[in-house]
Amino acid sequence: QVQLQESGPGLVKPSQTLSLTCTVSGGSIRNYYWTWIRQPPGKGLEWIAYIFHSGSTNYNPSLKSRVTISVDTSKNQFSLKLNSVTAADTAVYYCARCTSSYYFDYWGPGTLVTVSS
Amino acid sequence: SYELTQPPSVSVSPGQTASITCSGDKLGDKYAYWYQQRPGQSPVLVIYQNTKRPSGIPERFSGSNSGNTATLTISGTQALDEADYFCQAWDSSTAIFGGGTKLTVL
Repeated sequence: QVQLQESGPGLVKPSQTLSLTCTVSGGSIRNYYWTWIRQPPGKGLEWIAYIFHSGSTNYNPSLKSRVTISVDTSKNQFSLKLNSVTAADTAVYYCARCTSSYYFDYWGPGTLVTVSS
Repeated sequence: SYELTQPPSVSVSPGQTASITCSGDKLGDKYAYWYQQRPGQSPVLVIYQNTKRPSGIPERFSGSNSGNTATLTISGTQALDEADYFCQAWDSSTAIFGGGTKLTVL
């Protein structure tokens, strides 16, 4: 059974960089698109980016200028960096697996990141 | 940018049929996906590629997509179906989510 687990600081100061890592267990990181999705408290889902195991990436145009996604196949991990954060970036951040049929079939439990001084 | 519109809320009586719509420009030309999210939990895929159910999803969940509207139908709705439901599609390699619909089972 594939499992995903997000990790990283729960509190980030405004203007700083949010950094999260997702560890994949129970399956290989190869041959899937690995994705970050966020959900502000009480609001809807927003797709951030995905990365293929080979390193090819795709970003949400609305966040592209501030986001970097990377993968470490040796550790079965992928990571998210979001710079110049503001309070509007406060959200539960989920990592998820995206299949070749372009649906998200496994999700992590999510991690709340609060942007506040 | 592409947008998907869902009603904020839908109410249904137990045992009845609930329909949740998702509207977008020429949505029928794309695949629609549906996710269920119970309070405090991660989303779960319930329909993919318009009509397909993942393994483990009850048969009472079904989907359709035509024209500008995709619809998630839950037949014989149960109390445990009470949740937020999000539609999703891809546009120009970007995943777009609808705003979500809160399904209340009264």
